[in-house]
Order: sequence, then structure tokens, then C-alpha cells
Amino acid sequence: AAGVIQSPRHLIKEKRETATLKCYPIPRHDTVYWYQQGPGQDPQFLISFYEKMQSDKGSIPDRFSAQQFSDYHSELNMSSLELGDSALYFCASSSGGGTAYEQYFGPGTRLTVT
Amino acid sequence: AQSVTQLGSHVSVSEGALVLLRCNYSSSVPPYLFWYVQYPNQGLQLLLKYTSAATLVKGINGFEAEFKKSETSFHLTKPSAHMSDAAEYFCAVSVQAGTALIFGKGTTLSVSS
Repeated sequence: AAGVIQSPRHLIKEKRETATLKCYPIPRHDTVYWYQQGPGQDPQFLISFYEKMQSDKGSIPDRFSAQQFSDYHSELNMSSLELGDSALYFCASSSGGGTAYEQYFGPGTRLTVT
Repeated sequence: AQSVTQLGSHVSVSEGALVLLRCNYSSSVPPYLFWYVQYPNQGLQLLLKYTSAATLVKGINGFEAEFKKSETSFHLTKPSAHMSDAAEYFCAVSVQAGTALIFGKGTTLSVSS
């Protein structure tokens, strides 16, 4: 079965640079979520989109922005990168918008900021 | 606000032994509960979910969990551990579809031969 696709899988950036992470949800899934997992930490929710509109917002820094496009893929844009942004970034998707509870996760993008 | 507490950051069992990973939740509204497994350098895989149907939930790989409202618990069990079960396990809660999953701190399961 098709899964959530994330690209790139690994990304190395320097401080103050920008990064763009992409997420392609499972076909026919209309809701996308972004999570950040620091080393040895649990995943922390950043933001979610349903039908291209922001549906929930968590602890996303102001330096980060995200959007969902007409084909339901999503991009997380990160600017003025800091060392503390080094983490595994997960995208998850679900179907049914306001009726689906389970989220299916992608393999993640490992961002390293040097 | 909802939260999840996983008791024991590290659990070690022998191959063939019972696996018990503990999860307690706090929620002001009926919760929806999940167990995810994460293998090293991989994403999170959904093991099972409780969404207000049967209180005993069966998942993949022989795992199951029981929702106990009186104890606010959702412990994960497996009768007989396999070496391949060694991984990080996360309990998570949600109270509304389309919104954030709130994760526990995770429990690392080690299985020895």
C-alpha cells in the first residue's frame, strides 16, 4: 500500500539558512500534520492542514511556515535556522477530515543544522 | 488539556516473555488512544487504536491493548516477545479528529535471547 512520502530524507544546513521539507500524503488523504522529534524526545506537533486550510497549530516557531497545496501535498518552510532546529521532522496524513483520528506517518526528514 | 504518561522509559524482557508497556492518560473529554512503534531511524507505525468501540483492541504483530476508563489506562501487551519487537513505543492521545496527537515520552523495549 502507498505510504506517506517525505523529501528529502536527509538535509544538512548551516545556521541562518532556510530549508524546505516536502510531504506527499497517502492518496485520497486530505489532512496533513507536521511533527518535530528532537534526539531522544517524543514527537511534538507543529501544524496541520485540512483541505488546504490550517486546522490546528502547535508549538511551531514563527520562523517556520507551512501550507497545503491543491494536490494535498504540503511543504514546511524553515528560515533563519538554528542549531536547536536539528531534529527529525515527520509528516503524517489522515483521511476524512473531521472524522478520522488515526494518522499515518512518513519516514521523516532528518535535518541537521551546523 | 489532554496528556499521556508512559510509566517506565525502558523495559527489558526475555524472548518469549510477556510484554507489558504502561500508558495512562488524562483527558477532560472521551479520548481516542493510540500506540505507535518506532524502529531506529524510521517513522512511526500505527500498532493499534481505541476510538470508543470495543475496549479490548487488537493490533498488528500480536499486540493488544485494553482501555480502562476507571483506571485511565491503555496498557499495551503481547503474550510472547520476539527479538523483532525491540523498538521504541509511543502512546498517544487525541480528542478531536484532524487535530494533534499528544505523545507520551516513549518506552524503549529491549528483548534478550
